[in-house]
Amino acid sequence: NAGVTQTPKFQVLKTGQSMTLQCAQDMNHEYMSWYRQDPGMGLRLIHYSVGAGITDQGEVPNGYNVSRSTTEDFPLRLLSAAPSQTSVYFCASSYSFWTGTNYGYTFGSGTRLTVV
Amino acid sequence: GQQVMQIPQYQHVQEGEDFTTYCNSSTTLSNIQWYKQRPGGHPVFLIQLVKSGEVKKQKRLTFQFGEAKKNSSLHITATQTTDVGTYFCAGLYNNNDMRFGAGTRLTVKP
Repeated sequence: NAGVTQTPKFQVLKTGQSMTLQCAQDMNHEYMSWYRQDPGMGLRLIHYSVGAGITDQGEVPNGYNVSRSTTEDFPLRLLSAAPSQTSVYFCASSYSFWTGTNYGYTFGSGTRLTVV
Repeated sequence: GQQVMQIPQYQHVQEGEDFTTYCNSSTTLSNIQWYKQRPGGHPVFLIQLVKSGEVKKQKRLTFQFGEAKKNSSLHITATQTTDVGTYFCAGLYNNNDMRFGAGTRLTVKP
């Protein structure tokens, strides 16, 4: 099993550009989520999904879109990148939200995004 | 709002010294999780605490959950260079909102 795979690992964008961060898992996890990590602020939830076709907003959703057409994939879209979106992005998954809260979440290796 | 405060932000110790990081919430938590992130890596789940006053041990690591379920600590005895990284707590609130602390970055001097 590959676990949670994120691509790309690094990305530099110009302000106003759009891009999609990819996240895929092969563990048949229903729950998937996106976090951003900024220095001194820990991990903050952007969006999450409890299953295919279902998504919801987290703590910091503005500027990001998500969709969940399959169980395996949960892409994060930046429609018009801003310097404030410079961050490290992590995708995390678990069998269910409750499994994650009880047995922890599996994180991908992250995408380091710089917006200039 | 719901927020988990974690201190200290940084801790530098000599190898063999002990290390402790603390997490505090102003409101009661349903449970609390701890994660470790190695430099350049991703968070890895360590443990979950659920019960009031719960204490769990993993080798040299001791995790505690406060009696009021508002605070938690992670204590490492006799640190080793392999302990280097950032330790995060993540508290789950009654409304199913989970919030991460800012993390404590541990460096260990050989």
